[in-house]
Amino acid sequence: RKEVEQDPGPFNVPEGATVAFNCTYSNSASQSFFWYRQDCRKEPKLLMSVYSSGNEDGRFTAQLNRASQYISLLIRDSKLSDSATYLCVVMDSNYQLIWGAGTKLIIKP
Amino acid sequence: ETGVTQTPRHLVMGMTNKKSLKCEQHLGHNAMYWYKQSAKKPLELMFVYSLEERVENNSVPSRFSPECPNSSHLFLHLHTLQPEDSALYLCASSQNRVATGNTIYFGEGSWLTVV
Repeated sequence: RKEVEQDPGPFNVPEGATVAFNCTYSNSASQSFFWYRQDCRKEPKLLMSVYSSGNEDGRFTAQLNRASQYISLLIRDSKLSDSATYLCVVMDSNYQLIWGAGTKLIIKP
Repeated sequence: ETGVTQTPRHLVMGMTNKKSLKCEQHLGHNAMYWYKQSAKKPLELMFVYSLEERVENNSVPSRFSPECPNSSHLFLHLHTLQPEDSALYLCASSQNRVATGNTIYFGEGSWLTVV
């Protein structure tokens, strides 16, 4: 079983729609959680941290479910510029960053 | 302007060639990293340096040889690579060895193609 699993997609979504991705992790002792965004042929960039109470940043909402060991990312009112690959990152109990392979999102006009 | 710069951005090399990737960070950080990202695969940590000392080597083949002459510069020397080594190589830095997901900074990457 992969340590961090994501649906690779692609998710093809019309502009303006709401889209959600999940990411599951295997190590229940994992400490911190993050979503990164990676544009085509570019480096990953931090999108947002994921807090236990859930957090929101504009159109983006991240949530953590420790009991079921998954985190989610919700994007509302999607824009063409949201097209990218979204990477889930988990910091384990040894302070190692474990990366998911990413979910590709394509927003269509 | 990114705080972590990598050169070259693109590299095509034959299996018998020797080349090097260069990374420089302008953030005053003490730890630097090399990651490999293959298509549709997670980032794989290759090497970690803290204060110029290698602290982690994740079973990387010897055809990849890192060098960290000072805390601002990191090299990845490449020789006799295989086609499956074609990937995006990302350099990153963080203030100290324990990099959380929101304290690690990536360069733009070097696209390597081995022919």
